[in-house]
Amino acid sequence: GAVVSQHPSRVICKSGTSVKIECRSLDFQATTMFWYRQFPKQSLMLMATSNEGSKATYEQGVEKDKFLINHASLTLSTLTVTSAHPEDSSFYICSARGHGQAWDSNQPQHFGDGTRLSIL
Amino acid sequence: DAKTTQPNSMESNEEEPVHLPCNHSTISGTDYIHWYRQLPSQGPEYVIHGLTSNVNNRMASLAIAEDRKSSTLILHRATLRDAAVYYCILRDLNSGAGSYQLTFGKGTKLSVIP
Repeated sequence: GAVVSQHPSRVICKSGTSVKIECRSLDFQATTMFWYRQFPKQSLMLMATSNEGSKATYEQGVEKDKFLINHASLTLSTLTVTSAHPEDSSFYICSARGHGQAWDSNQPQHFGDGTRLSIL
Repeated sequence: DAKTTQPNSMESNEEEPVHLPCNHSTISGTDYIHWYRQLPSQGPEYVIHGLTSNVNNRMASLAIAEDRKSSTLILHRATLRDAAVYYCILRDLNSGAGSYQLTFGKGTKLSVIP
């Protein structure tokens, strides 16, 4: 089946550091990728949707200058948390959907295994 | 606003069937019912989805009520590896982003007792 690879799986860094998380679709072309954030004991919250070759659409309350999303190819999207602070510590999860499926609700979405970000 | 409602938690004995309910009384005629699960410290995993007819796959079965206002995910024989949070989701159309998206509710935390 379709596989989404997310890297790194865990990051621990100092406050003020910028952190980049990669999300790759390994066996399909992902025209749409989604970035979620999950705090402990809470559900996933959608941060942004990115379509290959265009700017990401951010959900309300998500700072686009802080969470930079690049989706430059059909198999790779990156999320950069700029100048991270302890309150940015969370579990970040990417998801991807294949070509031609944006308007088709009859298609599953494939998820990465997540990146646990800890800011000291 | 939540479009589905699920019990917060359920328990099952190992190797027994589990029925996870979901209510979606405001479902529209074109909404597919999707189920995902999330094991601890992992991303969500697709389980099953359906529109009107009951569906079966290697992981589970999905029973959809005739009026489509509720559905039940059935795990035929629960194992310890099935302990997870199960999410019942109707896709939202995000016109701003130009695509359907998954909006996760709180789901049902399934505990499997050995």
